[in-house]
Amino acid sequence: AQTVTQSQPEMSVQEAETVTLSCTYDTSESDYYLFWYKQPPSRQMILVIRQEAYKQQNATENRFSVNFQKAAKSFSLKISDSQLGDAAMYFCAYSSGANSKLTFGKGITLSVRP
Amino acid sequence: NAGVTQTPKFRVLKTGQSMTLLCAQDMNHEYMYWYRQDPGMGLRLIHYSVGEGTTAKGEVPDGYNVSRLKKQNFLLGLESAAPSQTSVYFCASRKGDRAYDNQPQHFGDGTRLSIL
Repeated sequence: AQTVTQSQPEMSVQEAETVTLSCTYDTSESDYYLFWYKQPPSRQMILVIRQEAYKQQNATENRFSVNFQKAAKSFSLKISDSQLGDAAMYFCAYSSGANSKLTFGKGITLSVRP
Repeated sequence: NAGVTQTPKFRVLKTGQSMTLLCAQDMNHEYMYWYRQDPGMGLRLIHYSVGEGTTAKGEVPDGYNVSRLKKQNFLLGLESAAPSQTSVYFCASRKGDRAYDNQPQHFGDGTRLSIL
């Protein structure tokens, strides 16, 4: 079974600084997808960024980028120029197969200091 | 743009009571999922459906039943609620075509369920 591990329960960053959230996963599949979701206090699940395992290029979305290390099974999220609105819980998630079920990590709570 | 709608948003039950959570999506998605979110546990899959009339068990199915009689609706039932089922429940959906495998699931806003 696939597992997703987020070992840091909490992190804090100064506004305008850069922070990296860690995620590792375990799988025997060769074709899969990785996602980072943001959950603000409103409870919504908001997609931040996605990565296809077959793509070597790291995905980027504005201030958000990933460091995808397939051999190491690592998928970290970098947030540049952190803003107060980035404060939220962040979940790393894995998906593969025809049913596309998501396996989530336990999440990390990010706080942003003004 | 409705997307995925969950009803109700909040509910308090007594132990042993039954209830049904409704998930409705207007995107003509084939795949639908029910997750529960507990503190420190992330989201865990309860049941899912890959099409009308089909359902399958996820990681934590015990104590729940589901039905998918219409493509747009996915119901989650608790026959005899227990305090351990106190949680936030999320429904999600996704297009079923394999060409969309890299697409994210669309989530509802969640239902907070407390069982006393």
